[in-house]
Amino acid sequence: DVKVTQSSRYLVKRTGEKVFLECVQDMDHENMFWYRQDPGLGLRLIYFSYDVKMKEKGDIPEGYSVSREKKERFSLILESASTNQTSMYLCASSYWTGAYEQYFGPGTRLTVT
Amino acid sequence: ELKVEQNPLFLSMQEGKNYTIYCNYSTTSDRLYWYRQDPGKSLESLFVLLSNGAVKQEGRLMASLDTKARLSTLHITAAVHDLSATYFCAVDRVKYGNKLVFGAGTILRVKS
Repeated sequence: DVKVTQSSRYLVKRTGEKVFLECVQDMDHENMFWYRQDPGLGLRLIYFSYDVKMKEKGDIPEGYSVSREKKERFSLILESASTNQTSMYLCASSYWTGAYEQYFGPGTRLTVT
Repeated sequence: ELKVEQNPLFLSMQEGKNYTIYCNYSTTSDRLYWYRQDPGKSLESLFVLLSNGAVKQEGRLMASLDTKARLSTLHITAAVHDLSATYFCAVDRVKYGNKLVFGAGTILRVKS
C-alpha cells in the first residue's frame, strides 16, 4: 500500500514564526502536492512538485514556499506564519497509472496564534 | 479556469434511503475522481472514472461520468450510518497534466 506520512498531526505556532511541514511518501511517486483545506472551500493547491528540485505554484502560493531535495520528501515552509494560515494542510503524491490518482497523508492541523 | 461544483453541500438522510450527489465541472476533462473523508481523517480514494459513460460501483456507492454534460454523479443506495462522511469530487486539469481541482465537498449524515 502507498503510504504518505506527515511530520505532525497537530501544530501550534505563533505569528511570525517560520514553520516547516514535512511529507514523506514511500512509493517512488514523481508528483507531490501540498493543499490546504478550509471548511466550505474544499482543497486548494498551494504548491506542486513533479520531480526533485522542481516545483510549480498552485492556486494559493502566497506566504508559502516548498523544498524537494529528495524524491520521497516534500516540505512546505511558512516563512512568517500568520493567523490566516490556520488550516488543515494535506500532502499528497501521485504517479501515472492511466490516471493521476492522488494518495493523501493524514494531514496537519496548524493553528497560528 | 476550471471550476468544480458539487451539490448538495450538505445532505442529511435516513438510513435505507437513496440519494445522489452531483458534480459539475466547467471545462473538458476525461478523468474524474471521487474521494471520501471521515471526520478528522485524510482523503481516501473511492473511484477513478476515466472515460465518458464510465460507471463504477463499490458496495452501496455507484459513480458515473458523462463527459459531454460535464457531470458526474455519486449514487447512494439504501444508506447506512457508516456512509456518513464528506465526499469530494475532483477533476484533472488535463491541459496542465496531473493537477486536480476539487469540489467543495458534500457532507453526508445518515441518521438511524
